[in-house]
Amino acid sequence: NAGVTQTPKFRILKIGQSMTLQCTQDMNHNYMYWYRQDPGMGLKLIYYSVGAGITDKGEVPNGYNVSRSTTEDFPLRLELAAPSQTSVYFCASESGMNTEAFFGQGTRLTVV
Amino acid sequence: AQTVTQSQPEMSVQEAETVTLSCTYDTSENNYYLFWYKQPPSRQMILVIRQEAYKQQNATENRFSVNFQKAAKSFSLKISDSQLGDTAMYFCALVISNFGNEKLTFGTGTRLTIIP
Repeated sequence: NAGVTQTPKFRILKIGQSMTLQCTQDMNHNYMYWYRQDPGMGLKLIYYSVGAGITDKGEVPNGYNVSRSTTEDFPLRLELAAPSQTSVYFCASESGMNTEAFFGQGTRLTVV
Repeated sequence: AQTVTQSQPEMSVQEAETVTLSCTYDTSENNYYLFWYKQPPSRQMILVIRQEAYKQQNATENRFSVNFQKAAKSFSLKISDSQLGDTAMYFCALVISNFGNEKLTFGTGTRLTIIP
């Protein structure tokens, strides 16, 4: 059982470049989330989804986009990378029964 | 909107001692769930313990227990007989039971160091 898989684990981007962080879960969870964690800080919600075709903004959505075409996949898109987006990004999924959120291993992104 | 506050950025305790991490939260909802997650240096987020707001009994998981004070909106974590493997960041989190609007909100974390 793979759980939540994020790729890549590390990435360096130049200012203005774009990229997509991939997130896949194999637990048939309806709820999926994207968080960013700045050094020494907590997790801030970027976007979330309660099911395929449904997405909504979290606390810090500016500069990001998401889509949810399938239950399994929830990619996060950065269109014009900025140094302020340097962070560790976590994808998470949850069944919707408020039991436990499962997290990916994180993607460390550096924008230079 | 809900908020979660952890007022202790860092704590340290001797191995085998007991430590309590504080968490307060704010929400106008009555049905919600509270969690403590652990993030060791590996960065993996691990669920430590979970509490349903409608339950008066405090949750326990082996050496981990909570003190849930609903009226005071307080949710502290007690770690008994602390071990070196407990060294990690600990995050308090809240989710509201509102179908279609469940957003897991985290506090800023407490860095706990267990001293040998």
